[in-house]
Amino acid sequence: AQSVTQPDIHITVSEGASLELRCNYSYGATPYLFWYVQSPGQGLQLLLKYFSGDTLVQGIKGFEAEFKRSQSSFNLRKPSVHWSDAAEYFCAVGGRGGADGLTFGKGTHLIIQP
Amino acid sequence: DSGVTQTPKHLITATGQRVTLRCSPRSGDLSVYWYQQSLDQGLQFLIHYYNGEERAKGNILERFSAQQFPDLHSELNLSSLELGDSALYFCASSSRTSLARNEQFFGPGTRLTVL
Repeated sequence: AQSVTQPDIHITVSEGASLELRCNYSYGATPYLFWYVQSPGQGLQLLLKYFSGDTLVQGIKGFEAEFKRSQSSFNLRKPSVHWSDAAEYFCAVGGRGGADGLTFGKGTHLIIQP
Repeated sequence: DSGVTQTPKHLITATGQRVTLRCSPRSGDLSVYWYQQSLDQGLQFLIHYYNGEERAKGNILERFSAQQFPDLHSELNLSSLELGDSALYFCASSSRTSLARNEQFFGPGTRLTVL
């Protein structure tokens, strides 16, 4: 069965500092990987996605993520965070064809210190 | 704004009752997914419809059902509600192209409170 682990429930980062959110997945075939962001009271916004090819993918709002097959990881990074980045971040995995929906991690709550 | 709409935004009801949540996918999208987000279980996939047909079921309770209509909007019906059904319910949609890669666009959600 597929699964996603986000080992950090909360992360606190100073504004302007760099950020890395960890994500490990378990999936039997080639995974499609996603990062979503959820601001308080809002829906889920797609930050970036990995399907194949270049293992470093760029997303919106200055985020990037690197797919490492050998480590079953898809970590999210940002070189300099802004106060508006405070939110809940979810990593998700899905398969080809999209029938079965996405499997999400429990999320990482990002707190930005001034 | 993803283009996916959900109504109502909030719903408060009592145990034992039945409610219906509505979702309109992005224009042209044939796929609709339903997810439940709760503090206990996190985000869980419930069910997927494609062009009116059920495609896959996830962790959906027997008390819950869904359908997708000819105009492609979808409804999630929750019956015999329990306190534990209180959650945020999301709908997501996908086009034929993005479906192949499981790329989904989420609505703002309906927050259900069962008292």
